[in-house]
Amino acid sequence: ETGVTQTPRHLVMGMTNKKSLKCEQHLGHNAMYWYKQSAKKPLELMFVYSLEERVENNSVPSRFSPECPNSSHLFLHLHTLQPEDSALYLCASSQALSANTDTQYFGPGTRLTVL
Amino acid sequence: AQSVAQPEDQVNVAEGNPLTVKCTYSVSGNPYLFWYVQYPNRGLQFLLKYITGDNLVKGSYGFEAEFNKSQTSFHLKKPSALVSDSALYFCAVRDSNTGGFKTIFGAGTRPFVKA
Repeated sequence: ETGVTQTPRHLVMGMTNKKSLKCEQHLGHNAMYWYKQSAKKPLELMFVYSLEERVENNSVPSRFSPECPNSSHLFLHLHTLQPEDSALYLCASSQALSANTDTQYFGPGTRLTVL
Repeated sequence: AQSVAQPEDQVNVAEGNPLTVKCTYSVSGNPYLFWYVQYPNRGLQFLLKYITGDNLVKGSYGFEAEFNKSQTSFHLKKPSALVSDSALYFCAVRDSNTGGFKTIFGAGTRPFVKA
């Protein structure tokens, strides 16, 4: 799991707070992803970055704002969230976006609770 | 459109018995199929994948999966289950006709392995 790290591991925030999730990959990959995992639901792809450019925004509300300053780091900025946004947020990376046979490597996730 | 189904939320198996976790898929092109496992408070870990070639794929921790094109299935199997195999297993598919990052995950299946 040291290949992809995420901080914080747990986060509790109020609906008016602003917070950020951080992801870092040490694998030399060029593609990074944010997923949302809710109980008993399939993983939902939120954002995809390739070489620091966003290539997918999967109809995610604007209260989630991603940032990818370089190919090793990915952030998810959160503001005015709703209780239904409580979930496990997973970051992943893969070698190249164009290679659809590539394996994705996941971080441990941030457990977010919105009060 | 691509899709993947895991028909069972959970399966019960005694330690030492064979374990099977079912997965079926639908794609328009050729399927690229993956299995991941998630232990409590951890991210998803890659187990194995089928891209092309031999229909029987061997992966980590003694798991294997068999690609069956006619039945559009990719069931995960382990000949002798361990209590430590009690985790959440996800099947995932990519379609050769779509973008490389479009991975669709199943809802997950949780085996309960009893000693």
